[in-house]
Amino acid sequence: KAGVTQTPRYLIKTRGQQVTLSCSPISGHRSVSWYQQTPGQGLQFLFEYFSETQRNKGNFPGRFSGRQFSNSRSEMNVSTLELGDSALYLCASSFRGPGDTQYFGPGTRLTVL
Amino acid sequence: KNEVEQSPQNLTAQEGEFITINCSYSVGISALHWLQQHPGGGIVSLFMLSSGKKKHGRLIATINIQEKHSSLHITASHPRDSAVYICAVSPIITGNQFYFGTGTSLTVIP
Repeated sequence: KAGVTQTPRYLIKTRGQQVTLSCSPISGHRSVSWYQQTPGQGLQFLFEYFSETQRNKGNFPGRFSGRQFSNSRSEMNVSTLELGDSALYLCASSFRGPGDTQYFGPGTRLTVL
Repeated sequence: KNEVEQSPQNLTAQEGEFITINCSYSVGISALHWLQQHPGGGIVSLFMLSSGKKKHGRLIATINIQEKHSSLHITASHPRDSAVYICAVSPIITGNQFYFGTGTSLTVIP
């Protein structure tokens, strides 16, 4: 069974640009969660999608958005990038959500210059 | 205010030692997860607990729901156990999300 995949793995952008990250969950998993990891703040929850519906959102500005498609693949978008958005962005999938075992992707390393 | 507190932040052990990492939380939870992150970023879920105790190889995780506390134990530690261990809870009230601890960085010296 293929694991969770994330594309791209590395990304360099400049301030003001926007970026779209993609996450393909394990086949059969309907929940996809997104996280931001920085050295200063650690892991922080961004949002969780289940069957194309956003069920919860973390404390992030509206520049951070996401969506989930009917095949459970998910994308997250960050608009008007700031230097502080430089981070490792991780997604995780599961059958039902945070009450289930989470399977993490390798992450996308975003650098904002 | 951090809903999840981990201790210690850093831990260095000799190979073969018994290791304990602690996690305390302040909210009602539906589940607690122990995660392992190796250098390079990949995260692996070690355990998901809602009560009692689980064992997988040399790893043991326990949780006391009344005391809002969980421990991760590593018996006969090995250099390959060197990693960051992160405690995460799924809160009952807000649901469908995680609160994370700041992680414990473990180094096991041969």
